[in-house]
Amino acid sequence: GQNIDQPTEMTATEGAIVQINCTYQTSGFNGLFWYQQHAGEAPTFLSYNVLDGLEEKGRFSSFLSRSKGYSYLLLKELQMKDSASYLCAVTRGSQGNLIFGKGTKLSVKP
Amino acid sequence: GEEVAQTPKHLVRGEGQKAKLYCAPIKGHSYVFWYQQVLKNEFKFLISFQNENVFDETGMPKERFSAKCLPNSPCSLEIQATKLEDSAVYFCASSQSRPGNTIYFGEGSWLTVV
Repeated sequence: GQNIDQPTEMTATEGAIVQINCTYQTSGFNGLFWYQQHAGEAPTFLSYNVLDGLEEKGRFSSFLSRSKGYSYLLLKELQMKDSASYLCAVTRGSQGNLIFGKGTKLSVKP
Repeated sequence: GEEVAQTPKHLVRGEGQKAKLYCAPIKGHSYVFWYQQVLKNEFKFLISFQNENVFDETGMPKERFSAKCLPNSPCSLEIQATKLEDSAVYFCASSQSRPGNTIYFGEGSWLTVV
């Protein structure tokens, strides 16, 4: 089976840094994705990690530790438009489909 | 096209009626996925296709739900005899190959069963 855990909600201040954690227990793990979803919109791709380590892309970075079943998404220089749900999702085996966590709703305050 | 196109954007059906949703994947993408998101909760995987072939249908309810991807036609997801609990946003997504390739999502079809 599989289990993906991430905090339900987080609040942070504009200009600050926030880290959203995700832990997973998944047989046949392949890789881990982070998606951003604004209310009423489609999820948009942020990052993909398959090897251990940090992937940096502008203000967003994502980290993976396969041995610990752990990932985080780091958002720097927070902007109001970063208020959204952040979805951690894994792929496993040869299936290719994403298995999602319940998402973390991030609220950025002025 | 350059994006996953889903129609209709909104659909209202009375209990017991049929609902049919359509999805055109990004041009050149051979994998199509359907997901159900109920009340902004987690995504539930329904079914995936590799071109017109069912690739993984482990998430598909055995009754009432069916899906197709036929050549030169949009993919479709059909729900026979809808129930109140089918009310959800149905997202279609596509990718070039799997696993590991980015999966791109459409805007979703909002189904409301009344």
